[in-house]
Amino acid sequence: NAGVTQTPKFRVLKTGQSMTLLCAQDMNHEYMYWYRQDPGMGLRLIHYSVGEGTTAKGEVPDGYNVSRLKKQNFLLGLESAAPSQTSVYFCASSYSTREGLGEQFFGPGTRLTVL
Amino acid sequence: KQEVTQIPAALSVPEGENLVLNCSFTDSAIYNLQWFRQDPGKGLTSLLLIQSSQREQTSGRLNASLDKSSGRSTLYIAASQPGDSATYLCAVESYNTDKLIFGTGTRLQVFP
Repeated sequence: NAGVTQTPKFRVLKTGQSMTLLCAQDMNHEYMYWYRQDPGMGLRLIHYSVGEGTTAKGEVPDGYNVSRLKKQNFLLGLESAAPSQTSVYFCASSYSTREGLGEQFFGPGTRLTVL
Repeated sequence: KQEVTQIPAALSVPEGENLVLNCSFTDSAIYNLQWFRQDPGKGLTSLLLIQSSQREQTSGRLNASLDKSSGRSTLYIAASQPGDSATYLCAVESYNTDKLIFGTGTRLQVFP
């Protein structure tokens, strides 16, 4: 099993450009998440999905959109990139148990720089 | 609103020392608490998950405890090794949220 994979690993954008980050998981997990990690700010949730065809806003959703058309994929889009979106982006997936979520599995991250 | 705090932010210890990392949370209505490890430039790896009905979990040299009523968890690392050097994060899942709230982590350095 590949676990959680992210594409691309690195990207440099100019202000105003758009891009899509792809996350894929092969563990048949229902739940998928997009986070950003910035120095001194910790890990912050952007958007998440509790199943195919569903999405929900997290803590910092502005400037981002997401789609979950297939259970194994979760896409994060930046419509008009801004320097404030320079960050490391992590995707994660999880399964559910009778007592909440199970372990959360993370991808290797995408390092995005917006000039 | 759930808030998760980790103290200290950084810790440096000699090899072989037993150490404790602390995590506190403000709302005790949680399903579970997870401890993660993050190496520089890498994603997070789940170390231990403690359900709210449990008091502790163990994996090798790691032992995590949970005191839900007081809003605290500790991660105990026995006989630390240089390979344990990493950032350790805790996260909680509050009731009916389907998501984790993370602390900002403790950066651990174990020197030979």
